[in-house]
Amino acid sequence: EAGVVQSPRYKIIEKKQPVAFWCNPISGHNTLYWYRQNLGQGPELLIRYENEEAVDDSQLPKDRFSAERLKGVDSTLKIQPAELGDSAVYLCASSLFRSTDTQYFGPGTRLTVL
Amino acid sequence: TQLLEQSPQFLSIQEGENLTVYCNSSSVFSSLQWYRQEPGEGPVLLVTVVTGGEVKKLKRLTFQFGDARKDSSLHITAAQPGDTGLYLCAAETLNNNDMRFGAGTRLTVKP
Repeated sequence: EAGVVQSPRYKIIEKKQPVAFWCNPISGHNTLYWYRQNLGQGPELLIRYENEEAVDDSQLPKDRFSAERLKGVDSTLKIQPAELGDSAVYLCASSLFRSTDTQYFGPGTRLTVL
Repeated sequence: TQLLEQSPQFLSIQEGENLTVYCNSSSVFSSLQWYRQEPGEGPVLLVTVVTGGEVKKLKRLTFQFGDARKDSSLHITAAQPGDTGLYLCAAETLNNNDMRFGAGTRLTVKP
């Protein structure tokens, strides 16, 4: 069974540029998460989807970050415009239903903003 | 302040030694999970504990959930280089269905 797929794996951009990350969760998983992991820190939840509905986006910086999960499957996370402080690893995870079910993480996208 | 405090932040030991890492909080949790993360990869779930005082064993790893469900420990017996990685704890708070992560303990086991 394929795991969570993320692309790209690495992205280097200049500040003020837009960037987008893509995630394909495990087939049949209802819940999808986007996390940001800064160097030396644990993952921080940005947004959680149940099907196509964003049920927790309280930690998403809405002035520059946006996310969507069309048809309740794939998801994209966008930053526009990117700032230097956005440099981090962006992790996508999925679980069958609620967040205390086993979460399966993708390998992440390492973003560097110059 | 972090909801979950993990200690130590870094740990470097020789192969064959034993070690314990800790995950502490002032909050009570419904459940707590331990993950291991290797460089360039996402975290992988090791165990979930839900009952106060619960002890779970996974080969050379022993996980304990505190009686008051505020803290947890992970003990590794006879560490091996393959145990090297970032050990993260994550917990579900009583008033929120989301899992919150600690900053992790970065373990290095030298051959």
